[in-house]
Amino acid sequence: QKEVEQNSGPLSVPEGAIASLNCTYSDRGSQSFFWYRQYSGKSPELIMSIYSNGDKEDGRFTAQLNKASQYVSLLIRDSQPSDSATYLCAVEQAGRRALTFGSGTRLQVQP
Amino acid sequence: GAVVSQHPSRVICKSGTSVKIECRSLDFQATTMFWYRQFPKQSLMLMATSNEGSKATYEQGVEKDKFLINHASLTLSTLTVTSAHPEDSSFYICSASVGDSGYTFGSGTRLTVV
Repeated sequence: QKEVEQNSGPLSVPEGAIASLNCTYSDRGSQSFFWYRQYSGKSPELIMSIYSNGDKEDGRFTAQLNKASQYVSLLIRDSQPSDSATYLCAVEQAGRRALTFGSGTRLQVQP
Repeated sequence: GAVVSQHPSRVICKSGTSVKIECRSLDFQATTMFWYRQFPKQSLMLMATSNEGSKATYEQGVEKDKFLINHASLTLSTLTVTSAHPEDSSFYICSASVGDSGYTFGSGTRLTVV
C-alpha cells in the first residue's frame, strides 16, 4: 500500500507569518510531487509541482523535496486569511500515471 | 490552460436509482481520465483509471459493476453510479493527465442519495 502522510492540523498561523506544511511518502520510486489547495466543497487546485531534490519557489510558495528522506514540504510566506484551506500533498505513483493523496493539512490564517 | 468540465455539480437521487456524471476535456484530448471519491473530512481516493477506447482499471475494493466508467471519446468520460445507496453519497471528482507530468481536475460532483 503506497502511502502519503500529512499532519491533519489544524495549523494556525497569524497573518503575515510563514506556514510550513509537511508530507512524507512511502513509495521510493515516485518522481513527481504536487501540492494542491482545496477549499471546502471545491475541487483541488494545483499550487506547485516539484520533481527534483531541493527547493522550488513560485511567488509566496516554496516547495522542498528530499527524495532520500522521502519528504516533501510547502512553505507559504506572508500568509493571508485567503490562504486558509486544506492543503493536499499528492505523489505520482511509480510506473503509472495516477496520484496518491495525503489526508490533507487544514491551515488557518488568523487576521 | 487545460480545462475539464464536470457535470452536474450537485445531484440528489433516490436510493436504488442510477446517476451519471460527465467529464469533458474542453481544449485538449484526454486519453486518460481518473475518477476520485472524497468523503467528508477525508482525502481523495482513486477509484478507477479510464483510457479512451478500453476498459477502465479499478482500484482494489471498488466495485466495477456498481461504478460504470465509459471513456468512448478523447473528450468525454462518464461515471455511472448504479443502484445508488446512501453510503455512496460523496464528492466525486474527475481528473485528466496533461502533458508529460501534470493533472487537471474537474469541479466535482456532490452526490446525495436519499
